[in-house]
Amino acid sequence: GAVVSQHPSRVICKSGTSVKIECRSLDFQATTMFWYRQFPKQSLMLMATSNEGSKATYEQGVEKDKFLINHASLTLSTLTVTSAHPEDSSFYICSAVAPTNYGYTFGSGTRLTVV
Amino acid sequence: DAKTTQPPSMDCAEGRAANLPCNHSTISGNEYVYWYRQIHSQGPQYIIHGLKNNETNEMASLIITEDRKSSTLILPHATLRDTAVYYCIVRVGGIQGAQKLVFGQGTRLTINP
Repeated sequence: GAVVSQHPSRVICKSGTSVKIECRSLDFQATTMFWYRQFPKQSLMLMATSNEGSKATYEQGVEKDKFLINHASLTLSTLTVTSAHPEDSSFYICSAVAPTNYGYTFGSGTRLTVV
Repeated sequence: DAKTTQPPSMDCAEGRAANLPCNHSTISGNEYVYWYRQIHSQGPQYIIHGLKNNETNEMASLIITEDRKSSTLILPHATLRDTAVYYCIVRVGGIQGAQKLVFGQGTRLTINP
């Protein structure tokens, strides 16, 4: 149990366009989800905390108008990268607080390439 | 900021035990030690966690020192599929308040045939 599905797994988009990434909790309800970004050979960097029914909380240095987060239901959070540029190319990973003894489960990640 | 220190890389022979150390000298009394690993281009996978007692599950063992300032993750019989980056994280246990997970740099473990 406690499975998080992330879609798409890979996406290539043109510079200036927007891309939406979905994070779904398949067998549990998640009031809180987290979005991370990971550049090659680096660790995961927390971008924001997504709370169902309220505004996301962004980490320092993360542009909230560029990385739009919507957590409209208890099983779905979305991250939209607006006006994407090549420097936004990265591996994006979501995580949900799950009803397990260890609390967190991660999606499989989305590889975004902006050309 | 991450509250843990890990060696950047380690090597281990296939079939041998892999011992991954972690220092967390500023750990608080209510903080657990969690271990995750990330295989290339995948999301992190939970391995094990503990508070002060040693723990064992089907994947690994976790040894926590008596003063709780350091711990060791043990993979008893490493296989090639255990090649990954291993992250040691300290956080308050349970899901109350949904404390965010902060990742350090981790240890890149390479299992050699």
